[in-house]
Amino acid sequence: GAVVSQHPSRVICKSGTSVKIECRSLDFQATTMFWYRQFPKQSLMLMATSNEGSKATYEQGVEKDKFLINHASLTLSTLTVTSAHPEDSSFYICSAITGGLSYEQYFGPGTRLTVT
Amino acid sequence: ILNVEQSPQSLHVQEGDSTNFTCSFPSSNFYALHWYRWETAKSPEALFVMTLNGDEKKKGRISATLNTKEGYSYLYIKGSQPEDSATYLCAFPGAQKLVFGQGTRLTINP
Repeated sequence: GAVVSQHPSRVICKSGTSVKIECRSLDFQATTMFWYRQFPKQSLMLMATSNEGSKATYEQGVEKDKFLINHASLTLSTLTVTSAHPEDSSFYICSAITGGLSYEQYFGPGTRLTVT
Repeated sequence: ILNVEQSPQSLHVQEGDSTNFTCSFPSSNFYALHWYRWETAKSPEALFVMTLNGDEKKKGRISATLNTKEGYSYLYIKGSQPEDSATYLCAFPGAQKLVFGQGTRLTINP
């Protein structure tokens, strides 16, 4: 099946610094990638939809200047958490699709971000 | 706002027993319904993508049914095993994205 990787899997950073998380589709070209965040004991919360070569579409309440998304190619999307604060500590997970939304999403393994 | 609801939120089942849980979604403008299994510390894994009313899909001991007219899907697990312990998510496409339910956290007791 299709494989999506994320890097890093875990990161600890100091408050005020920026952190970049990479999401790669390893064996297919992803028309669209999604970035999710999981809050404790909750389900996946969609942060933004990322299409190659265009600006990401952010969900209501997600600060686009804080969570910068770049989708430079059909196999790579990056999420940069800028000026991180402890409340940004969370589990971030990406997914990718090859076609429309009747096709399954392939999820990355997630990145655990801890801001101290 | 699309509302995708799953029930129950959590479920404890004895090993060997069968179980099922529900996903409710808007019945209008149906496109597809996704089921995922999410084990702790792993990525969500796609189980089924269902598109046809009355459809039933099966993967091993897990099966799912779909009723698009009334807006619900059932996921069944037959003869539960400890490895079935996970959160089961359903998701409904809408406005260029998948809207996920809150999930059913299933725990299989040995």
